[in-house]
Amino acid sequence: GQSLEQPSEVTAVEGAIVQINCTYQTSGFYGLSWYQQHDGGAPTFLSYNGLDGLEETGRFSSFLSRSDSYGYLLLQELQMKDSASYFCAVRSQLRDDKIIFGKGTRLHILP
Amino acid sequence: NAGVTQTPKFQVLKTGQSMTLQCAQDMNHNSMYWYRQDPGMGLRLIYYSASEGTTDKGEVPNGYNVSRLNKREFSLRLESAAPSQTSVYFCATKPGQGAYEQYFGPGTRLTVT
Repeated sequence: GQSLEQPSEVTAVEGAIVQINCTYQTSGFYGLSWYQQHDGGAPTFLSYNGLDGLEETGRFSSFLSRSDSYGYLLLQELQMKDSASYFCAVRSQLRDDKIIFGKGTRLHILP
Repeated sequence: NAGVTQTPKFQVLKTGQSMTLQCAQDMNHNSMYWYRQDPGMGLRLIYYSASEGTTDKGEVPNGYNVSRLNKREFSLRLESAAPSQTSVYFCATKPGQGAYEQYFGPGTRLTVT
């Protein structure tokens, strides 16, 4: 089976840096993705890691360690508009394209 | 281009009624997915289709059926709705097995009384 664990809530201050962790257990592994979802909206893609290391996209970065079955999303220079839920998602097999999501981390940003 | 569209946006059903949620995409994507989202539960995969003509069960398929009508359309059917199926339903697509980014529709908010 597959399972992903991430904190349910994280709080940070505007302008600061926050890290959202994700650990996963899968029978196979073919990449870890991150999505953002604002209240009432649909999830939107942020980042993907297929190999170990850091991927950077503007203020957002994502890291993966396949040996530790662990990844994180790093948000820098936090803005109030970053208040949202963040989901990690894993694909365990290339063949059938099955993608499973974690339960999400609610990010609260304080002014 | 409309991207991924879902109909209806809102629906209220009585227990035991049936209905079909529609999803259509004009992105020429091969893979399509149905997820449900409940508070505190994240997105749970109901069914998915890696290509036209194939469908597979996800994490929570019980009480649902799907049809990949053609490459563009992927429908989700509730044969006999139950209050436990009250949720927000999202359809998502992806270009194919080599791609990693999913594109989500706006969602259907379903209430079963």
